[in-house]
This record gives sequence, structure tokens and C-alpha cells, in this order.
Amino acid sequence: NAGVTQTPKFQVLKTGQSMTLQCAQDMNHEYMSWYRQDPGMGLRLIHYSVGAGITDQGEVPNGYNVSRSTTEDFPLRLLSAAPSQTSVYFCASSGGTYNEKLFFGSGTQLSVL
Amino acid sequence: SQQGEEDPQALSIQEGENATMNCSYKTSINNLQWYRQNSGRGLVHLILIRSNEREKHSGRLRVTLDTSKKSSSLLITASRAADTASYFCATAAGSQGNLIFGKGTKLSVKP
Repeated sequence: NAGVTQTPKFQVLKTGQSMTLQCAQDMNHEYMSWYRQDPGMGLRLIHYSVGAGITDQGEVPNGYNVSRSTTEDFPLRLLSAAPSQTSVYFCASSGGTYNEKLFFGSGTQLSVL
Repeated sequence: SQQGEEDPQALSIQEGENATMNCSYKTSINNLQWYRQNSGRGLVHLILIRSNEREKHSGRLRVTLDTSKKSSSLLITASRAADTASYFCATAAGSQGNLIFGKGTKLSVKP
């Protein structure tokens, strides 16, 4: 049981490039979410999903896109990377509803130059 | 926003001492949770306390919730160097609310 797996662990992009951060969970959780963590800002919710085919925006969705074609996977796409998107990104899942215990991945550290 | 706000921002204690961190929030909540983050790692869930509960224990952790004051505290007893980490509270409003995290308390436990 791997839990929540994020890839890659580190990534450097140039401004304007696009990329996809991968997130997979093997716990059959319906709820999955993406947060970004910036120094002094805590964690901020980007997008979330309550099941396959259902996604919604969080607090800071601009510049990001998500889809949920399967229960296991919830990729986060950066459409045109900007330096303001330099951050650590965490994927999380829950076996309950929106606000039960979250299981977090180990994070992706992204730098946009 | 009903974001929780932790206090203090940083706390430094000696091994064996107790550590207390506080969390205040703005609106009525469904539950309040505490998470730990070791440097460079993902967050790990510690404890969840529901709005109708006042106190909860888990090992060396004790969490209290005062809904009238919109505040919670996390007590770590007999701290160890391995407790060095950042601690976050997270709140959720109602059954449809996503978890919103505070900025965290950075705890340093010196051996």
C-alpha cells in the first residue's frame, strides 16, 4: 500500500513551459486535492475532486488545470508556467467527504525561472 | 475565510518539556485537525476533533477545542527531539467545506 504518490519530486521549468504534476493513490479514495505551500503562506487549495469526472476550483486555481478520469489519478497541469508558480505542491486524498482526514503525498518542488 | 491561525509562529524548548500550540479560527466549524510536517516532507495527520467534542487524546498529544472562543490547543507532553517539525491546524466549515490550513507553528526540541 503506497498511499499517495507524487512525481516528479523536483522540477525546473522555464517561463512559458507547460508540465503535468502526477498524483496517484491506491486507497480507493474518492476525494483528492492539490495544495501549494509557499513560505509564510501556509497551504492553499488549488483544485479538488470528489470523484471521477468531478472537479472544482479551490482558493488559487488560476494557471492550473485538473482532470479526474479515474479514481486513482489526479494530475495537475501548469498551462504556461510563471515565476509566481514556484512553490512546493502537495497532493492529498481522503476516504471520507471534503474535510475528513487527509493523506498527503511527499510533494513536488517546482522552480520556474 | 475561516483559516486557522497558529500561535506562536515558532517555539523552542528542551527535550522533556511540554509544548503547547494554539489555533484560532473565524467561523463555525465542522471539525478541526492538526497535522505535522517534518522538514521537506508531506503533512501527516495527527488528530481530528469534532465541533461537539471538547478534548481528545492520542499518545503524548492532547487537543482541546473551545467553540465559544473559536480556538484549539495542541499539547505535546514530554517532548523529544524527533518532535521537531512544523505543526498546522486545519479547519473545515460544514460538510461541504474543504480543509483550510493555517501558517503553522515551527517547533524546535533541543536535546
